[in-house]
Amino acid sequence: QVQLVESGGGVVQPGRSLRLSCAASGFPFSGYGMHWVRQAPGKGLEWVGGVWDAENDIYYADSVKGRFTISRDNSKNTLYFQMNSLRAEDTAVYYCARERYDVPGAFDLWGQGTMVTVSS
Amino acid sequence: QSVLTQPPSASGTPGQRVTISCSGSSSNIGGNTVNWFQQLPGTAPKLLIYSNDLRPSGVPDRFSGSKSGTSASLAISGLQSEDEADYYCATWDDSLNGPVFGGGTKLTVL
Repeated sequence: QVQLVESGGGVVQPGRSLRLSCAASGFPFSGYGMHWVRQAPGKGLEWVGGVWDAENDIYYADSVKGRFTISRDNSKNTLYFQMNSLRAEDTAVYYCARERYDVPGAFDLWGQGTMVTVSS
Repeated sequence: QSVLTQPPSASGTPGQRVTISCSGSSSNIGGNTVNWFQQLPGTAPKLLIYSNDLRPSGVPDRFSGSKSGTSASLAISGLQSEDEADYYCATWDDSLNGPVFGGGTKLTVL
């Protein structure tokens, strides 16, 4: 079954860290760009980072640059998102998403999302 | 404030045709293709239109997209109650070096 399953969300205090995982199945994971998109409660979608074929081909939104790190383990078909120095404004549902191989920004497969709440 | 501008809301009655606009600039829509996503309440987004006007397999042909210059539009014909959702446009931004989304449009079927 073609799917993405996120895990690792939870409640964390400001300044602490959290690592999200996204397990992919049913498709050749290594051949796709993979991204994280978040949605704050009651708000719209915000792209926060993505990794393409090469591990040095990684980009971040300015809002998380320097604090969050994307990585992927193609042998485990898993995408990761290491989130450090968390802030209240990072509270959101975090989705991992697969990008169509031929169209930048066309996220054609999404996970169910994992909620991250940053609160003291 | 989003890089791409969408109306916050739209509405229509069953059977009607509605359009949702998305306005950008030369660094995003003007030089790149536009994608549209549908987000039903409580669910993850779903790709509805890609490359301006192409539909993924399984998306009804009631949904269509277009782009002109630095603007794009999503049209929904034969509106149905199950179309009630949030709709987002998105594209690549050459200045920000990443994808950008519109603020979203909440479609209500009256």
